[in-house]
Amino acid sequence: DVKVTQSSRYLVKRTGEKVFLECVQDMDHENMFWYRQDPGLGLRLIYFSYDVKMKEKGDIPEGYSVSREKKERFSLILESASTNQTSMYLCASSFGDRVGGYTFGSGTRLTVV
Amino acid sequence: QQQVKQSPQSLIVQKGGIPIINCAYENTAFDYFPWYQQFPGKGPALLIAIRPDVSEKKEGRFTISFNKSAKQFSLHIMDSQPGDSATYFCAAPTPGGATNKLIFGTGTLLAVQP
Repeated sequence: DVKVTQSSRYLVKRTGEKVFLECVQDMDHENMFWYRQDPGLGLRLIYFSYDVKMKEKGDIPEGYSVSREKKERFSLILESASTNQTSMYLCASSFGDRVGGYTFGSGTRLTVV
Repeated sequence: QQQVKQSPQSLIVQKGGIPIINCAYENTAFDYFPWYQQFPGKGPALLIAIRPDVSEKKEGRFTISFNKSAKQFSLHIMDSQPGDSATYFCAAPTPGGATNKLIFGTGTLLAVQP
């Protein structure tokens, strides 16, 4: 069964900590995405990557960075966590030459205290 | 910035009812409009999608209707069941950037009562 795996289901971090969220896919997808999900705001794109070491900013990149050193792995980094980054984070992947067809992970619920 | 406006935010129907969720978009890279379904504790999963060559698509009890001139599309769930209770997201491909990416609506929380 193909899937996208997010390393942590729940995470609690302190304000100012550097936080790493990891995502791994086993479908050989070119594209990988990080979204955050907040009530009433839907899914908002933070960053995406269309190839190894390639990345583009999404709609809300402030306070975040990403890393993609291998095709199957895409990391989201919170440089200095703040309470307004408390959210559900969703990773997704898709083939580069196809529209949509995203496969999502189950999400990481991050709480910053 | 591309937006996809989705309504209603929440919806309660009785079993057997036909909930309808609506979305409107501003611009799109091309005509492909998917709907995703999300159950609690899970990530969204692709439910059904429509391309521009048709104005309606059915898959089982789920139907997408598409009105290109109005830039609107909607999801209908026929004979809704309690197991359909979930959050539904519409999406549209956003123009620009190095690859195709989807912009999602704000979601509709559907509750189907027994």
